[in-house]
Amino acid sequence: ETGVTQTPRHLVMGMTNKKSLKCEQHLGHNAMYWYKQSAKKPLELMFVYNFKEQTENNSVPSRFSPECPNSSHLFLHLHTLQPEDSALYLCASSRSRLAGGPETQYFGPGTRLLVL
Amino acid sequence: AQKITQTQPGMFVQEKEAVTLDCTYDTSDPSYGLFWYKQPSSGEMIFLIYQGSYDQQNATEGRYSLNFQKARKSANLVISASQLGDSAMYFCAMRDPDTGNQFYFGTGTSLTVIP
Repeated sequence: ETGVTQTPRHLVMGMTNKKSLKCEQHLGHNAMYWYKQSAKKPLELMFVYNFKEQTENNSVPSRFSPECPNSSHLFLHLHTLQPEDSALYLCASSRSRLAGGPETQYFGPGTRLLVL
Repeated sequence: AQKITQTQPGMFVQEKEAVTLDCTYDTSDPSYGLFWYKQPSSGEMIFLIYQGSYDQQNATEGRYSLNFQKARKSANLVISASQLGDSAMYFCAMRDPDTGNQFYFGTGTSLTVIP
């Protein structure tokens, strides 16, 4: 398998549910990202991990909880979400800044989340 | 203030013609990276082209080229010989060391290629 994969591709959940989004990259990268893409809004960076350490948390509500057990896997745990959290959640990976060179991000196909 | 500005919400181009998608950016750091991505209706964000702030030449990748004008802080994407499959959303993005290496994306331009 190549590139960046995300599961599930679609998710419908109630506000009291707990679910997790999974991202896996097969590119040998050391940096991974979660983005939220809502309709008619710019892509919002949520979390950044470099070498499994969280380096950015852009004021994301605590109902979103990321986990990065290793450089190839990234999870986003969801708990008591709100309807306004419905969006496309994109995972990306890149070379780490410490590795030098362009930090081109490669994206997964995304998870379309609907919160009822 | 917006870091990345894309002023064209929608663009149309005739098949086989060239089209330019505009992007301006804002940073005070001399070292930054600029990226263009394509997002078809399926949702996946596809990397197209990269331009480093210190690169002397404009970046090119096949039918894609980046018209980089540093003094104007613009990084327009040029698609030559448009194809029907080019119809998609196009996003300009920047890695900005000025703000701790955050990545910023523009609001996107929807391109429609007309047969």
